[in-house]
Amino acid sequence: AQKVTQAQTEISVVEKEDVTLDCVYETRDTTYYLFWYKQPPSGELVFLIRRNSFDEQNEISGRYSWNFQKSTSSFNFTITASQVVDSAVYFCALITQGGSEKLVFGKGTKLTVNP
Amino acid sequence: DAGITQSPRHKVTETGTPVTLRCHQTENHRYMYWYRQDPGHGLRLIHYSYGVKDTDKGEVSDGYSVSRSKTEDFLLTLESATSSQTSVYFCATGDSGQGVRETQYFGPGTRLLVL
Repeated sequence: AQKVTQAQTEISVVEKEDVTLDCVYETRDTTYYLFWYKQPPSGELVFLIRRNSFDEQNEISGRYSWNFQKSTSSFNFTITASQVVDSAVYFCALITQGGSEKLVFGKGTKLTVNP
Repeated sequence: DAGITQSPRHKVTETGTPVTLRCHQTENHRYMYWYRQDPGHGLRLIHYSYGVKDTDKGEVSDGYSVSRSKTEDFLLTLESATSSQTSVYFCATGDSGQGVRETQYFGPGTRLLVL
């Protein structure tokens, strides 16, 4: 069975601080895909990034970066110099190549960036 | 982002009435999904479709049915709405290529209140 754990339920930071959102996953499959989605207060779910299990390169996109470590089954997300617009709920998700079509989500981390 | 629309965006209905939610996509994606999002439960898969007239159940399918007569449309029907089906419903689409798991893109959501 697949599982995604986001242990941080809520995080509050002050603008310009760096913040890391943790994601730990469980799967027995060797081929799988990891995702991060953002859900701002307006409610839509926005795709941020996809990573496959064979690509452990870290990814940077502007102020966002992702650290994928298979050794610790983690796919952490860091926001550098946070801004108020980063306030949202962030979801980590997993889908395996050989399993069902089900995308397994973590419970989400609510990030509040205060001015 | 995939061109995904959902209608209606908000609906209030009474217990026992049938309700149909529509998801429309313009990306010609093969896969379509219906999720519900509830506090404490995160996102849960209701039904999904892997092609026209090809559908299957997710983890919370009781009380729901779906139909897909065209690639672009995926309908979710609550046969006899109950208060426990008050939720935010998200449609998602994805397109697997060469056996690679697809990225799911989400629609804007429908807020349903069952009185």
